[in-house]
Amino acid sequence: GAGVSQSPSNKVTEKGKDVELRCDPISGHTALYWYRQRLGQGLEFLIYFQGNSAPDKSGLPSDRFSAERTGESVSTLTIQRTQQEDSAVYLCASSPWTGDGYTFGSGTRLTVV
Amino acid sequence: GQQLNQSPQSMFIQEGEDVSMNCTSSSIFNTWLWYKQDPGEGPVLLIALYKAGELTSNGRLTAQFGITRKDSFLNISASIPSDVGIYFCAGQLAETSGSRLTFGEGTQLTVNP
Repeated sequence: GAGVSQSPSNKVTEKGKDVELRCDPISGHTALYWYRQRLGQGLEFLIYFQGNSAPDKSGLPSDRFSAERTGESVSTLTIQRTQQEDSAVYLCASSPWTGDGYTFGSGTRLTVV
Repeated sequence: GQQLNQSPQSMFIQEGEDVSMNCTSSSIFNTWLWYKQDPGEGPVLLIALYKAGELTSNGRLTAQFGITRKDSFLNISASIPSDVGIYFCAGQLAETSGSRLTFGEGTQLTVNP
């Protein structure tokens, strides 16, 4: 597609439920990143995928968070047993190589009530 | 973890005024990036800097990569109402794997017509 597409754009969930967030990167982009942005704060790195290499998961805050990516296409970020502190905007970005200048999606705003 | 100190946190200016914001780091970066984020959207890349001392312009925007590789500034000249938004600096560490970016906390810019 023309840009990075994320779905859903908004998600309200009850505490304790699992959620799955989806990211469609720009076609041909080998690198894909997930970031979290809490209200009024900067972006916090979560996980990075590059082609078929093992992902860099060092930013995931707990074992409730996991992410998958199929080849160089769609990625899903899963949060299990959601907590209120998980409420944030989850942003996905892709780039054509491990360089700079990512293209970001519009994010998924997650609210845990 | 790596910290980026971005200042000021917010600015309120009159249309036509010039604006300056900066970021400092305790560690060296090999790339500095400046992004703008509008409400409900992901960050959009404004300027990328690759060499210490580099000064780069993009229209009314000018950014510099500090000589020490630990700081960068962004200037906006002759501000207009559509400059309103949150500006983020981001750095790529010299030793990091992949292309993880570390973001500052952002500068909220308000332009009064």
